[in-house]
Amino acid sequence: DVKVTQSSRYLVKRTGEKVFLECVQDMDHENMFWYRQDPGLGLRLIYFSYDVKMKEKGDIPEGYSVSREKKERFSLILESASTNQTSMYLCASTPREGANEQFFGPGTRLTVL
Amino acid sequence: KQEVTQIPAALSVPEGENLVLNCSFTDSAIYNLQWFRQDPGKGLTSLLLIQSSQREQTSGRLNASLDKSSGRSTLYIAASQPGDSATYLCAAQNPNSGGYQKVTFGIGTKLQVIP
Repeated sequence: DVKVTQSSRYLVKRTGEKVFLECVQDMDHENMFWYRQDPGLGLRLIYFSYDVKMKEKGDIPEGYSVSREKKERFSLILESASTNQTSMYLCASTPREGANEQFFGPGTRLTVL
Repeated sequence: KQEVTQIPAALSVPEGENLVLNCSFTDSAIYNLQWFRQDPGKGLTSLLLIQSSQREQTSGRLNASLDKSSGRSTLYIAASQPGDSATYLCAAQNPNSGGYQKVTFGIGTKLQVIP
């Protein structure tokens, strides 16, 4: 069964802290994505990666960075958390070939105080 | 730039009713269209994916159709049940200039099925 996991379901951090969100998929997918979801705005793409050590900016990369050292793991880093980064963060993966069906993790609800 | 719209934003129906959720998109050069279900505070669960060469896909009580020429997709839910209550999102994939697939999501339709 296809599976995408995220390191935390809920996270509370303080302004200025460095925050790591991790995502792991067990489907041997090449492509991985980080989105944030906010009421009224829907899902917005932060970064994606199409291979190990490769990354591309999405629509809202400011204030974030990513790391993909292994094929199965894609990390999102908030260098200095701010209150406007309070959001639901969703990780997804797709295979490079085929129908490109997206599979999502359970999400991390991050609150920055 | 692709835009995806879902109307209505919310829908309430009595149990047992058949219903249709709508999704419209502005750029018909899509690679595929995917429907998801999202329960409160949870991630997205894939329901159906329709590739650009297909007209519809079915899974159990769910049927999704795609009309690229009119920029529309519908999700039909037969004999609705209270457990179908959730937010339903559609997402269109288009090729982008970098050669990757660009995914655009709708805001979703929040469905409530009343027992």
